[in-house]
Amino acid sequence: DTGVSQDPRHKITKRGQNVTFRCDPISEHNRLYWYRQTLGQGPEFLTYFQNEAQLEKSRLLSDRFSAERPKGSFSTLEIQRTEQGDSAMYLCASSPTETGELFFGEGSRLTVL
Amino acid sequence: LAKTTQPISMDSYEGQEVNITCSHNNIATNDYITWYQQFPSQGPRFIIQGYKTKVTNEVASLFIPADRKSSTLSLPRVSLSDTAVYYCLVGDRNNNNDMRFGAGTRLTVKP
Repeated sequence: DTGVSQDPRHKITKRGQNVTFRCDPISEHNRLYWYRQTLGQGPEFLTYFQNEAQLEKSRLLSDRFSAERPKGSFSTLEIQRTEQGDSAMYLCASSPTETGELFFGEGSRLTVL
Repeated sequence: LAKTTQPISMDSYEGQEVNITCSHNNIATNDYITWYQQFPSQGPRFIIQGYKTKVTNEVASLFIPADRKSSTLSLPRVSLSDTAVYYCLVGDRNNNNDMRFGAGTRLTVKP
């Protein structure tokens, strides 16, 4: 399978704990996006990477959130001191330069108790 | 960023053609229009992309008038499996750090 993969698919944690999600994009794609989606809403943009450079961060990405993409390959999204409001599906997408088409993973669902 | 407006929901019956319109009054010269489909508990999936006039692929057609201030996704002969949320995005695909989704249109296909 050469699609976008995300890990873990599901994560249940207690409030105050740190969690990290990993995204492996399609190998030849140099653009990578993180989105957050809550029930009944469209995906909300969080951040965007062009290779290893983080070019844009949404205001939604508070100080507790950090994303990295070392060497322009996989990416991680870390949430520190989780809050119940962080419960959501976290989606990763990659995109080739030529078309801008977003290829999404199946998401990582976070539940904060 | 070009803001998009879509109907919140639509109902249809199997075998009918469904047209979902998206308004994007402040679309920029370099912006393309892209539609995605999302099923529950899955990431969105690309359906079709266009710049002007008409684009057709194996699953849908996209109609874009000359002023490009709106676009219409056309799904021919829908089936129950087309029940999903459909999103319209507008952005510069060569500088696409502004790929933002709206609330989408929830299409329900009934038997």
